[in-house]
Order: sequence, then structure tokens, then C-alpha cells
Amino acid sequence: GAGVSQSPRYKVAKRGQDVALRCDPISGHVSLFWYQQALGQGPEFLTYFQNEAQLDKSGLPSDRFFAERPEGSVSTLKIQRTQQEDSAVYLCASSRTSSQETQYFGPGTRLLVL
Amino acid sequence: QQQVKQSPQSLIVQKGGISIINCAYENTAFDYFPWYQQFPGKGPALLIAIRPDVSEKKEGRFTISFNKSAKQFSLHIMDSQPGDSATYFCAASKESGNTPLVFGKGTRLSVIA
Repeated sequence: GAGVSQSPRYKVAKRGQDVALRCDPISGHVSLFWYQQALGQGPEFLTYFQNEAQLDKSGLPSDRFFAERPEGSVSTLKIQRTQQEDSAVYLCASSRTSSQETQYFGPGTRLLVL
Repeated sequence: QQQVKQSPQSLIVQKGGISIINCAYENTAFDYFPWYQQFPGKGPALLIAIRPDVSEKKEGRFTISFNKSAKQFSLHIMDSQPGDSATYFCAASKESGNTPLVFGKGTRLSVIA
């Protein structure tokens, strides 16, 4: 079956532009996570959804970052007024249930802010 | 504060040798410890995971050793192959609910023939 997909795979933005990154989790997966991975680093947690409810957004670095999952499936991570320090790979992961289980990662969106 | 410390940063191993990557954690509430493998341009993929009720778990050529008292765990790759060349991340999370993974900084493994 299809895994987690993300689009676009690459995004170049000028500083100050708004961007929207999309995540399509594995069908039927309840939990969805967003992580940020800087070059040469491990992924760092941004936010977590259980169905459509955003249960944890403690990792969002500023109020320029906003995530939603309105129908409990596809999720969008939006970054407003992008800054150079936002350049990173943004990873989405989903898991089947709300209890601890394997998180399946998408290929990520590589964002470059110039 | 780095909650999961991983070493070494990079590792070169001869084909057929043993690759060993170590991690240490601080938060005693962690009780799920997965290892992820990441190839360039791809997302991390789960390799093997362990819970603290066992001290070792083996799946094929991959073994996790876990030392709860020392708050350390390690990944051993036996008979390392060039196809194992990738970046490996240890991670940890709390079992209560579906909680985010806390990752180490990664180890870039190169297996040379």
C-alpha cells in the first residue's frame, strides 16, 4: 500500500514569503506528527494531531508556524513570513493508533529560504 | 538540553565487520527506544525497537542492547554490508499516549569493501 506522501518535495522561497507544506498520511492512520530536520541533525518534533485535534504544538518554533488537519487525514504545515533559519527538511509521520506504535515517515519537503 | 546523546557522529567499517552505535538518554520516563535508518533524500525508516523490559533484541543482523540502570542503549550491525551505508538515528519516547520521538543527532555509517 501507499506510504506517507509529502508535497512539494522541494520548495524555494524568498525571505518573507508564506509557504504551505502538505502531508498525506497512510490511509486510516489516526496520529500524525510533523518534525523539522536541520542539515546534519536528527528530526525535531513540531506538532502532533490525533485525528483532527491538535494535541501538542509545543515544538512549533514561533507563531509564524501553523498546522492543521481539518478532516483528520491530510495535514498542512504553513510557515508565514519565512526566514532563512526556517530552511530545513520538514518530515511528516503517521501511526495507526493513538497508543505507542511505529511512526512511518514520509520523504520530507526540503525548504530553502533565500 | 539534549535528551538523547548519540555517538559516534560518523563511522567507517569494513565489509563484514561489526558496526556499533551508542546512545544515552536522560529522561527516566522514556520507555520506548527505536532505531531509524535514513538514506539520502528519504525519510527515516524504523529498523528495530526495544522496550526496557528486555536487555536485548535481535532481528536478523541488527541487535539492540539496552542497559536501563546506565540509561544507555546501542545498535549492533553484524556482517555490515555496503548497502547498510546510511545515517542511523536512535530515538526515545514515553509510552503514555502517542508521544513524539526525541531523536539523537545521528551517525553516518559508511561500509567499505
